[in-house]
Amino acid sequence: EAQVTQNPRYLITVTGKKLTVTCSQNMNHEYMSWYRQDPGLGLRQIYYSMNVEVTDKGDVPEGYKVSRKEKRNFPLILESPSPNQTSLYFCASSFLDRGGDTQYFGPGTRLTVL
Amino acid sequence: DAKTTQPPSMDCAEGRAANLPCNHSTISGNEYVYWYRQIHSQGPQYIIHGLKNNETNEMASLIITEDRKSSTLILPHATLRDTAVYYCIVRAHGSSNTGKLIFGQGTTLQVKP
Repeated sequence: EAQVTQNPRYLITVTGKKLTVTCSQNMNHEYMSWYRQDPGLGLRQIYYSMNVEVTDKGDVPEGYKVSRKEKRNFPLILESPSPNQTSLYFCASSFLDRGGDTQYFGPGTRLTVL
Repeated sequence: DAKTTQPPSMDCAEGRAANLPCNHSTISGNEYVYWYRQIHSQGPQYIIHGLKNNETNEMASLIITEDRKSSTLILPHATLRDTAVYYCIVRAHGSSNTGKLIFGQGTTLQVKP
């Protein structure tokens, strides 16, 4: 089954404790992206990747890092989480430049930083 | 990418057609109209997209006006499981875009028994 998986689905942590949210897709998509969703602000793009070893900042990259060492994986790293990073996070993937670059989203990771 | 305007909320009776409008009066010739939905904090789900012709798939139909300044998403027989926030997104294809989807506030569709 074609899917995007994220782990963990829920995480409660404390300020400053490094964490990684994993994202994996099994569709051989070149493009992957991370969004965060906050009440009243909608979904905002954090980082994106056009292919292996190619990443770039989205609209709200501060406090986050990403890597793309393999095509299928695109982890989101919070080196020193802060309470303002409490949010719902979504990973997405798609083919690039096709007639319909439909994006597939993961189920979400709800992160709480105390 | 062009801005879109959607009503904040709509109701629909179960089994009836749900017609969700979207205005995109500043759409460019190379921009597509996409529809996604998000069911209560789940990941957004692609529904359908089109450029100028009407489109239909197993989930919905998309009607785009001839001047392309507005469109309507039609769920032909709405069920309770179609209760969700529906997002109309306009974007261009091509290597210059970042792939970013700009989600506005969307339309909250409530399907009622």
